[in-house]
Amino acid sequence: KNEVEQSPQNLTAQEGEFITINCSYSVGISALHWLQQHPGGGIVSLFMLSSGKKKHGRLIATINIQEKHSSLHITASHPRDSAVYICAVAGNQFYFGTGTSLTVIP
Amino acid sequence: EAQVTQNPRYLITVTGKKLTVTCSQNMNHEYMSWYRQDPGLGLRQIYYSMNVEVTDKGDVPEGYKVSRKEKRNFPLILESPSPNQTSLYFCASSRDQLGQVGGYTFGSGTRLTVV
Repeated sequence: KNEVEQSPQNLTAQEGEFITINCSYSVGISALHWLQQHPGGGIVSLFMLSSGKKKHGRLIATINIQEKHSSLHITASHPRDSAVYICAVAGNQFYFGTGTSLTVIP
Repeated sequence: EAQVTQNPRYLITVTGKKLTVTCSQNMNHEYMSWYRQDPGLGLRQIYYSMNVEVTDKGDVPEGYKVSRKEKRNFPLILESPSPNQTSLYFCASSRDQLGQVGGYTFGSGTRLTVV
């Protein structure tokens, strides 16, 4: 049983495309995080959400608490966006999705 | 530069030989935690610490120990490593447990192989 499900697992896009990665969770949470894992393995924290929407550059993250769903959008995708994107939820415990591997082709 | 420093980056060891992976942060963060990452399973939390001398088990604590004697350091100890502990390990820190202020800062990872 996975408390956090991400889709798609793998995604290939052409440079410039609009990208959406989805995250659904089944537990009560206090916060949801989107993380980016670079090909070299390093992990960077992108967003923390407890409600609504956040934007940082070309990245937009939204959360719907009632539906237990979050989306990460990338506008005007670029090859440097190629990475694994991980959804993590924080409640009584931490749960992580298995990640979405994104490849952006020039 | 604000960072979490993990050492070593790579380690190959033999079953049963005690080892320590160090983690140090320079941001005066209260919260520190350890994770392991395995293919198909994603990240799983091993242990976390809310402050000095306060540690608690995460999702997969068996076979691991931690200590938090100083605020900046949070070492991960494998007293008797076994091959099923072969994994990629990450340390992370943040101001608070939920990462609500500034998110989490992760170390570069330690790839451990136990033979």
